[in-house]
Amino acid sequence: EIVLTQSPGTLSLSPGERATLSCRASQSVSSSYLAWYQQKPGQAPRLLIYGASSRATGIPDRFSGSGSGTDFTLTISRLEPEDFAVYYCQQYGSSSPFGGGTKVEIK
Amino acid sequence: EVQLVQSGAEVKKPGESLKISCKGSGYSFTSYWIGWVRQMPGKGLEWMGIIYPGDSDTRYSPSFQGQVTISADKSISTAYLQWSSLKASDTAMYYCARRSGQLWSPFDYWGQGTLVTVSS
Repeated sequence: EIVLTQSPGTLSLSPGERATLSCRASQSVSSSYLAWYQQKPGQAPRLLIYGASSRATGIPDRFSGSGSGTDFTLTISRLEPEDFAVYYCQQYGSSSPFGGGTKVEIK
Repeated sequence: EVQLVQSGAEVKKPGESLKISCKGSGYSFTSYWIGWVRQMPGKGLEWMGIIYPGDSDTRYSPSFQGQVTISADKSISTAYLQWSSLKASDTAMYYCARRSGQLWSPFDYWGQGTLVTVSS
């Protein structure tokens, strides 16, 4: 079973800065099956990126995904106040595990 | 507009049974897989299983196989997650979510969540 490890656990940044979040898989993942979600306190998760690099409907272009094999990255080019949240990666093939999450907090 | 509306919060005692629901609207309910995701207090997301309401084909995460039952009633566009005997460790927020297309696709729409509290 694939295990996804996200790093760092917490990222402390200021608005306007660039955020780089990592998701590493225990075995190779088809890029077609890697997604990123955003979750704010008290809310359900929201799909940001699917297929490793495709933005979901309505997602601003400051969010971008990249990677292949076992290493994937979510980049937020310039943090807006509403971007401070927890981010999860997911391999949505068989068993569909989520990573443990990265919290992006205001520095 | 696609919507998934979940049933309200529940407070139960250990050993009791429970069935929570997720009603879909704004799309063809029988044509999309619906999944369930657990989030324990202060923790991350865990995929529990999915069901295709069109034919009730159901898949479970190995971690949840035998612990819960997922079902659907396509006549009322509703999916269910049920327990026969709750434990304190089942205390969590439970989300339903729709797969965007084929079996292995991301979750594009989510319910608002149902908080289940199990306490004696």
